[in-house]
Amino acid sequence: DTGVSQNPRHKITKRGQNVTFRCDPISEHNRLYWYRQTLGQGPEFLTYFQNEAQLEKSRLLSDRFSAERPKGSFSTLEIQRTEQGDSAMYLCASSGAGLGHFGAGTRLSVL
Amino acid sequence: QKEVEQDPGPLSVPEGAIVSLNCTYSNSAFQYFMWYRQYSRKGPELLMYTYSSGNKEDGRFTAQVDKSSKYISLFIRDSQPSDSATYLCAMALGDSGGSNYKLTFGKGTLLTVNP
Repeated sequence: DTGVSQNPRHKITKRGQNVTFRCDPISEHNRLYWYRQTLGQGPEFLTYFQNEAQLEKSRLLSDRFSAERPKGSFSTLEIQRTEQGDSAMYLCASSGAGLGHFGAGTRLSVL
Repeated sequence: QKEVEQDPGPLSVPEGAIVSLNCTYSNSAFQYFMWYRQYSRKGPELLMYTYSSGNKEDGRFTAQVDKSSKYISLFIRDSQPSDSATYLCAMALGDSGGSNYKLTFGKGTLLTVNP
């Protein structure tokens, strides 16, 4: 059990570019969650998967955001046409029958 | 009104002090209550987890839940400089297996313990 792994740890991009983040959950966890945390705020729920099925999406997840979890293993979160307001820490968590665990996050800076 | 309210602080205490952190919430359906510690530029780390009302103690940390008042607390005894971090409360509705990790967080309280 190596924990939840997120890559990259930090991404700097220019406004209008597309970015993709990856999350590798704890191997036996069937549920995977994405959160966004802006400066001075707590994390906010974006979406979650049970195995490969995306079961819930927050209204925070605009049309520019898409998340996938092919084969119920790792997950990707893509942001198209990034805006400065997308600058935040993107956190991934996974859970199974018990408590969940968070990854270290990917910090996105949109210039 | 946000579902979970938490005073963002900052809170500064001397080493050895007892620290009290609190959150209030509005959704009476919350069943699972957690406290996370988050160091700067790191992911949240689970400190305490409580189901329903009552107290739970783990070393220097005590978590209290009062569902009738919709109020939760975290107490840190004999605080240490290494406790300096942001403390986030979080709550979940839960499902039959208790594994729904769709959490609603407070804003976090920034704590500094001075040596």
